[in-house]
Formats: sequence, structure tokens, C-alpha cells
Amino acid sequence: AQKITQTQPGMFVQEKEAVTLDCTYDTSDPSYGLFWYKQPSSGEMIFLIYQGSYDQQNATEGRYSLNFQKARKSANLVISASQLGDSAMYFCAMREPRGGGADGLTFGKGTHLIIQP
Amino acid sequence: DAMVIQNPRYQVTQFGKPVTLSCSQTLNHNVMYWYQQKSSQAPKLLFHYYDKDFNNEADTPDNFQSRRPNTSFCFLDIRSPGLGDAAMYLCATSSRPRDEQFFGPGTRLTVL
Repeated sequence: AQKITQTQPGMFVQEKEAVTLDCTYDTSDPSYGLFWYKQPSSGEMIFLIYQGSYDQQNATEGRYSLNFQKARKSANLVISASQLGDSAMYFCAMREPRGGGADGLTFGKGTHLIIQP
Repeated sequence: DAMVIQNPRYQVTQFGKPVTLSCSQTLNHNVMYWYQQKSSQAPKLLFHYYDKDFNNEADTPDNFQSRRPNTSFCFLDIRSPGLGDAAMYLCATSSRPRDEQFFGPGTRLTVL
């Protein structure tokens, strides 16, 4: 069963508009973490924002905010005032316990965001 | 600047010829991860080291091995690469097991 679902394979958005990228997740672990990463065409994964399952407030990092709705198991990324440089693949990921004490990330399939001038 | 470095950025190997990918970090992080990302797919965790302890994902093929000789370096060895192993290989580190993971730029592997 898919644990991270990103339902938007691709999105076109006008420059300066706000954009919401959807992410839903599935876990029975009460303690988990949700991440958003940006991957430009160069391939590097760039960390954007993190939300812990026990965090009371939605995370914000500059133009990025995370709309965390725990009961709905959703963690949507909101980018305000989009810029041309925001064009990239965006991955939602969940931190899950693995053997050996460390947590690995399970990624969604990603959303390809294209910002149009 | 402190960072995660992967060498080489691009690697071409022949079918069945062993290949080693390298990752180094100046962050002094305890945990190092290797992810495989095939074309147009999400990254998939292969294994990780927590200090010297190696942890393999259940579905990682035996063809893939890893070594971590010290805190700074971690290697991914593919013993007999097949065409299906062509992918981007991403190394990541985290200070503690549940902390944010910092990724390197990746090594794009081509198998001829």
C-alpha cells in the first residue's frame, strides 16, 4: 500500500501566484515526521520544510508553509508568491522507523511544478 | 561550507563490471543513507549506517553492498551491475536518526 500519495503529477502555475502541492500519508505510528524536498533538474534534493506529528503549529520557512491536517493525514505544501526558480520536482516524504534505530524516508511519486512567466 | 559530496557525479560502467560510488560529508553526522532513484521515480532507500551499524532494507538486492570506513566516508558497491541498476544514487546524512536528512548532489549511473 502506498504510504505517501501525491495526486498531482504535474502543475502549471503563473509566476507570483500561490501554489498548493498535495500530500496525503498513511501510518499507524503516532510519532512520525513529514518532509518536503525540491529536486531541480540537476538532481540534488533540497530540503524545504519539516512537520513533526506532535507539532501543534503548522511549519513555515520563508515562502514555504505546510498545511498539516492530522485527522485527514494530509501535509500540503504551500508556496506563496511563486518564482520562476521554483520550477522543479517536489517530493513529500515521511520519516519511518527502520531497523537499526535510524529512520529512513519514504517518498511520494512527486509533483512536477512549472512556473510560467 | 559543510556539505555532502558525491563522486563522481556521472559514472558509466559496463554490464557486470563492479562499480563503486563514493560519498563524503563534513557535517560529522552519525547516520548516512543511500537512496536509489530511477528515472521519473521517487527515491528509494537501499540501506543506512548508524555509526558503524549497517542496516539493509529488506528488498535491497544482494548485488548492492556498502562500506563505511570512518564517520566521513561511505561507499556504495554494485558487484555486478545490470541494465536495471541505471539510476541516480543519492547519499544523505543526518545528525541523529530522526533529524532532517541532508542530501548530496547524487551520482548518475549509466550501465552499458
